[in-house]
Amino acid sequence: DSGVTQTPKHLITATGQRVTLRCSPRSGDLSVYWYQQSLDQGLQFLIQYYNGEERAKGNILERFSAQQFPDLHSELNLSSLELGDSALYFCASSVAGGTSGITGELFFGEGSRLTVL
Amino acid sequence: DAKTTQPNSMESNEEEPVHLPCNHSTISGTDYIHWYRQLPSQGPEYVIHGLTSNVNNRMASLAIAEDRKSSTLILHRATLRDAAVYYCILRTKLGNTGKLIFGQGTTLQVKP
Repeated sequence: DSGVTQTPKHLITATGQRVTLRCSPRSGDLSVYWYQQSLDQGLQFLIQYYNGEERAKGNILERFSAQQFPDLHSELNLSSLELGDSALYFCASSVAGGTSGITGELFFGEGSRLTVL
Repeated sequence: DAKTTQPNSMESNEEEPVHLPCNHSTISGTDYIHWYRQLPSQGPEYVIHGLTSNVNNRMASLAIAEDRKSSTLILHRATLRDAAVYYCILRTKLGNTGKLIFGQGTTLQVKP
């Protein structure tokens, strides 16, 4: 158990719909990272938040957005869903990730499997 | 971020040592070498990391070449539970946000 909790574990929805994935980081971790894993693209970094602020951005589509709340949990919102958005979405957390340059290992949740029909 | 090159797949027999190679010829002096693995149906998990010297922990050993252009992850006695995708990742020390950029990794198959 990594200590990172993701909900829901599975989600099936239709094209054009909107979904929200939730992530609770490990206690004390300030950074939250979102990744997308599909069969043909591997693990793709989407976005990182540190203590409520966006810290780094990767290959995140404009239809996707994320935020980190004061209690440090994070949500990834996916809208106007397409078939190609079907994937595993992982959240990870780490204690650092600010401007100090101090790094630490990332702890990953078990993922949310999104199926778009 | 500097790139790494790993074999797509490797096979090992249970209870034998496994050496997983990684080439990173464009590594810079401030890049740490990280290894993560992803077991089937799970999120990635940290294995080990190092900068210049060889490193050991309870999961594995990391051997780093003297010129740092390559490294090897060593599993001393492979078990069936070690079947996973192993990712070798470079992460800079300077101005780093902490994010990891994953490549394709090496799929390790362990045979009983």
